[in-house]
Amino acid sequence: DGGITQSPKYLFRKEGQNVTLSCEQNLNHDAMYWYRQDPGQGLRLIYYSQIVNDFQKGDIAEGYSVSREKKESFPLTVTSAQKNPTAFYLCASATVGAGGRTQYFGPGTRLLVL
Amino acid sequence: RKEVEQDPGPFNVPEGATVAFNCTYSNSASQSFFWYRQDCRKEPKLLMSVYSSGNEDGRFTAQLNRASQYISLLIRDSKLSDSATYLCVVNIDNQGGKLIFGQGTELSVKP
Repeated sequence: DGGITQSPKYLFRKEGQNVTLSCEQNLNHDAMYWYRQDPGQGLRLIYYSQIVNDFQKGDIAEGYSVSREKKESFPLTVTSAQKNPTAFYLCASATVGAGGRTQYFGPGTRLLVL
Repeated sequence: RKEVEQDPGPFNVPEGATVAFNCTYSNSASQSFFWYRQDCRKEPKLLMSVYSSGNEDGRFTAQLNRASQYISLLIRDSKLSDSATYLCVVNIDNQGGKLIFGQGTELSVKP
């Protein structure tokens, strides 16, 4: 099956703890993205990567870190510096088509702070 | 002003109705446009890209007006399964692929 997988589906974080969200794709897409969605709000871009070993900050990168060591994988770490981490985290990957870069999303991870 | 603004919802319509969603964007350099659908507590899924000449996919029609920086989505013959939140999405940079999402418009189709 081709697609984007995210794990875990639910994640609980204790105060002061770093947690890492997994994102894997087997679509052979070059670009990968991390978004955060809060209730009743649109998606906001955290980080994105257009190629292996390179990534850029999005609009709300503070308190987050990423790595892109393999084309298939783009893990996101939510650090203790992120003071309000409770949200729905969505990973996407992109292909370039006639309509520009079309992004496809994984099923998401819900992060809750205990 | 938000970069992408959508009609406030929710839209409550009966089955079989025609419903239209509107969206405006502020960046005149925006290059590509999309409508995504998001079901409750699920990930967004691409509904359709929006082309300059307008495009249709079954019951769904998308229009783009670059001069007015306006995008629309028309759904004909609404089905119960169309109930979802519809996200207007704009790509301001085809190279970087950075998408800007509207906050979404909720549609509820009733029997």
